[in-house]
Amino acid sequence: QKEVEQDPGPLSVPEGAIVSLNCTYSNSAFQYFMWYRQYSRKGPELLMYTYSSGNKEDGRFTAQVDKSSKYISLFIRDSQPSDSATYLCAMRGYGNKLVFGAGTILRVKS
Amino acid sequence: DGGITQSPKYLFRKEGQNVTLSCEQNLNHDAMYWYRQDPGQGLRLIYYSQIVNDFQKGDIAEGYSVSREKKESFPLTVTSAQKNPTAFYLCASSTPGRNRNVGVQFFGPGTRLTVL
Repeated sequence: QKEVEQDPGPLSVPEGAIVSLNCTYSNSAFQYFMWYRQYSRKGPELLMYTYSSGNKEDGRFTAQVDKSSKYISLFIRDSQPSDSATYLCAMRGYGNKLVFGAGTILRVKS
Repeated sequence: DGGITQSPKYLFRKEGQNVTLSCEQNLNHDAMYWYRQDPGQGLRLIYYSQIVNDFQKGDIAEGYSVSREKKESFPLTVTSAQKNPTAFYLCASSTPGRNRNVGVQFFGPGTRLTVL
């Protein structure tokens, strides 16, 4: 079993929809949770960074962490075609090493 | 502009050759990392370095080597011992992850290596 599980998709939604992307994990030592967006043939860029449980909002993006369920989510409101990309969740404990999910491909259709 | 640069963008290697991928950062970050990305598998850690002149193996270090002689630079050599080197290689850097608000990794644009 992988430490971090993420549905690879693809997830196809119409423009304007609310998108929900999710990851589950098995290591209870993870404290820091990140979401990266990666366009095709580009390096990942950081979208959201949260510590421990709770919600964090930044514009159209909301990150949720539920440590009791070992489950994290990224919500995208009013999705746009420019949001079409691969979304990677990543997490770590108190060291520097990140563990990544496999990534979910999102396609937003206009 | 602060950031991470990788070169070349595309690299072609013949079987039996060693090739070196460049990674430079001007973010004044202590830690640097090399990842390999294959379709459907996310990012896998090859090597990482938390300080100059020190580095550790990641999860898939076999067939790779690194050096960290300068804070700004962390080159990766893909040796002929790496049996399946065709992949997208990503370099990242971060400040130390000991405090609550640091330790986030920032990535370069990547190098796509193809074995002919």
